[in-house]
Amino acid sequence: DAGVTQSPTHLIKTRGQQVTLRCSPKSGHDTVSWYQQALGQGPQFIFQYYEEEERQRGNFPDRFSGHQFPNYSSELNVNALLLGDSALYLCASSFGWGSTNEKLFFGSGTQLSVL
Amino acid sequence: AQTVTQSQPEMSVQEAETVTLSCTYDTSESDYYLFWYKQPPSRQMILVIRQEAYKQQNATENRFSVNFQKAAKSFSLKISDSQLGDAAMYFCGRGAQKLVFGQGTRLTINP
Repeated sequence: DAGVTQSPTHLIKTRGQQVTLRCSPKSGHDTVSWYQQALGQGPQFIFQYYEEEERQRGNFPDRFSGHQFPNYSSELNVNALLLGDSALYLCASSFGWGSTNEKLFFGSGTQLSVL
Repeated sequence: AQTVTQSQPEMSVQEAETVTLSCTYDTSESDYYLFWYKQPPSRQMILVIRQEAYKQQNATENRFSVNFQKAAKSFSLKISDSQLGDAAMYFCGRGAQKLVFGQGTRLTINP
């Protein structure tokens, strides 16, 4: 049973560019969340997708956008990259939006470096 | 702001001994989950233990247990019989599907 998979594992971009990160949820899961983890910090919630719609959003600018596909996989897009966007981006999946009893399973993340 | 605070940036313990990691939180909700995640060098966040706030009994998972003090908004993690594989960053947090994390405690196990 494959867990949460993310690609790529590492990425280097320059300021102003755009980036797309990808996530495949754990088998049987239909809800995907994205987190940003800056160096030395805990992860911060970006947004959550369920049934191809953004359901919850954290305190992140509109430069951060996402998408969920019919097979439940998801993409995180960041436009106009800033140096401060350098971080580990974690994807987490679960089953059923709004359920408080479901546990989140995380991937190993994509390390984004903005030069 | 509903925050989570881990006051110990680093902790170390001798192998086979017991260590306790501290965590306090702030929330206005009456029902919520608290949890501890472990992040080894592989970077994957691994759920260690989870506590439902309405349950008075402290959660236990093998060598890991919590001391949940709801009135004090405290949620500490005790690791018994520490093993080398326990070395990692540990993050305390609250929430259900939208998780709020603390800043983490780096745990070192000394052989």
